[in-house]
Amino acid sequence: AQKITQTQPGMFVQEKEAVTLDCTYDTSDPSYGLFWYKQPSSGEMIFLIYQGSYDQQNATEGRYSLNFQKARKSANLVISASQLGDSAMYFCAMVPGGTSYGKLTFGQGTILTVHP
Amino acid sequence: DVKVTQSSRYLVKRTGEKVFLECVQDMDHENMFWYRQDPGLGLRLIYFSYDVKMKEKGDIPEGYSVSREKKERFSLILESASTNQTSMYLCASSSSYRVLVYGYTFGSGTRLTVV
Repeated sequence: AQKITQTQPGMFVQEKEAVTLDCTYDTSDPSYGLFWYKQPSSGEMIFLIYQGSYDQQNATEGRYSLNFQKARKSANLVISASQLGDSAMYFCAMVPGGTSYGKLTFGQGTILTVHP
Repeated sequence: DVKVTQSSRYLVKRTGEKVFLECVQDMDHENMFWYRQDPGLGLRLIYFSYDVKMKEKGDIPEGYSVSREKKERFSLILESASTNQTSMYLCASSSSYRVLVYGYTFGSGTRLTVV
């Protein structure tokens, strides 16, 4: 079974500063994918970034980067130069590679608040 | 623009009512999922379907059933709604062949209140 843990219920950051959202995972599958999603107050889930378990380099997408430390089983999201629009709930999720159904397991989420 | 559409944004139902939540995707995805989201618990999988007429229980299927008669449509059914089913319900779809890269596409969610 897979498990995702996000230990930060809430985080605060000043506008234009960087922030790291923590995510640790547990799986026995050798192949898996890790995702981060953003959920604004509107409720929609927005895909941010993906990291494959065999990827050698950390994933980056614009201001988002994923700090992937496989031995520690962590996949932290780094948001650089925070903006007010980054205020939202953020979910870390994992899908095992061994199944074609792609069941995502989610963490509990972290609420990020960006202050002006 | 590809989409997953959930029929209702907000819904209020009475205890004991039979409730249908509808989800339609236009991406020809094989897999469809129903999650519920509660504060502090994240998203929990209720049911999923990997093909027409096929369904599998997720982590919390009790009190729910599903129907998938067509590839694009996946319905969640609350047979007899109870107050502990008050929650946000999210539908999602994915491609079996691209899920490791693209993950899921989600609908906007249905906030269900059972009174």
